[in-house]
Amino acid sequence: NAGVTQTPKFQVLKTGQSMTLQCAQDMNHNSMYWYRQDPGMGLRLIYYSASEGTTDKGEVPNGYNVSRLNKREFSLRLESAAPSQTSVYFCASSDGQFYYEQYFGPGTRLTVT
Amino acid sequence: AQSVSQHNHHVILSEAASLELGCNYSYGGTVNLFWYVQYPGQHLQLLLKYFSGDPLVKGIKGFEAEFIKSKFSFNLRKPSVQWSDTAEYFCAVNGFSGGYNKLIFGAGTRLAVHP
Repeated sequence: NAGVTQTPKFQVLKTGQSMTLQCAQDMNHNSMYWYRQDPGMGLRLIYYSASEGTTDKGEVPNGYNVSRLNKREFSLRLESAAPSQTSVYFCASSDGQFYYEQYFGPGTRLTVT
Repeated sequence: AQSVSQHNHHVILSEAASLELGCNYSYGGTVNLFWYVQYPGQHLQLLLKYFSGDPLVKGIKGFEAEFIKSKFSFNLRKPSVQWSDTAEYFCAVNGFSGGYNKLIFGAGTRLAVHP
């Protein structure tokens, strides 16, 4: 099993550009999450999907949109990138919500100039 | 608001030294507690978790954590660290807040173990 995969691994964007971060899991998990990790701030939840067909905002959703394409895939879109969105983005999945162990992807390092 | 505090941002130890990383949370209800670890260049992975029962929880690689409800703490310990324990450690707390279920991470502690 590949677990949780993310693409791309690195990306540089100019302010105002858009992009989509892709995430897929092969563990048949119901719930999927997007986090951002910034120095000194730990991981903060951007959006999550408790099950296929549902998405909900997390702690820092502004400037992002998500799509739960199917049970396996959960994408994160930046419509108009800003320097404040420079961060490392992690996708995760779990059998159920939050109190279940979460399995993380390798991360995407995004720089917005 | 629910929050998690990890007081040590950077810890440097020599091999065989004992380790204790602090984690305190602010939340009055029932909580589930986790420690995750991120080794250099690797994914975050679960080290151990506490849901209920014995407050002393044992995890992988010789780590353990103790839940002290009266102190709102869940400190991570290891009696003798190895160079391979060099990593970033995150405490996380799950509970209901603002009407929905949340998992809140602390800011992380970077541990460097020198041979």
